[in-house]
Amino acid sequence: AQSVTQLDSQVPVFEEAPVELRCNYSSSVSVYLFWYVQYPNQGLQLLLKYLSGSTLVKGINGFEAEFNKSQTSFHLRKPSVHISDTAEYFCAVTSRSGGYQKVTFGIGTKLQVIP
Amino acid sequence: SQTIHQWPATLVQPVGSPLSLECTVEGTSNPNLYWYRQAAGRGLQLLFYSVGIGQISSEVPQNLSASRPQDRQFILSSKKLLLSDSGFYLCATGQPISYEQYFGPGTRLTVT
Repeated sequence: AQSVTQLDSQVPVFEEAPVELRCNYSSSVSVYLFWYVQYPNQGLQLLLKYLSGSTLVKGINGFEAEFNKSQTSFHLRKPSVHISDTAEYFCAVTSRSGGYQKVTFGIGTKLQVIP
Repeated sequence: SQTIHQWPATLVQPVGSPLSLECTVEGTSNPNLYWYRQAAGRGLQLLFYSVGIGQISSEVPQNLSASRPQDRQFILSSKKLLLSDSGFYLCATGQPISYEQYFGPGTRLTVT
């Protein structure tokens, strides 16, 4: 079984300030880790992913995340947010089960950037 | 690159009416396909997934069903809608090597 916990349902932050969105996961097997972004009334888009290798991964729009295996975390960070970053962010884990990819999403964190 | 089409974009249906939502995929073959529902404050709930034509697995018991009549077509159906079926329905594919998911634009369903 696998699960994802996003500790903050909403995060308000002032424009140009740094932000961290937290994600913790649990799994009995190896997983791959993802962050997706969803703008209002749209589907989800991939921000970044960790499959293997360097634990610090960089994604689109200046976001980055660090995989910490000992703490089972994959927190998302951006050093300076912009108004256009206002959206909902989802952390997800994926594992393989036969020919099927089992995907589990967190409940999402709404990032509100304040001008 | 692949493209996922969903229609309709929005739908308002009365309780007890039938439902058919369609998802088609371009730019890939034999994809893993997924139906998710997103309700306010509840994140993404996986409803169905399919690894091939005619192969459907359900994650959550409900009054919804899914079918995959063609390799790149995935349909979500109901014979009688409930108020609790309201939500934003998303179709997605799973990539075999990168493990990421591509999402369609979604269908907003309101059951009245």
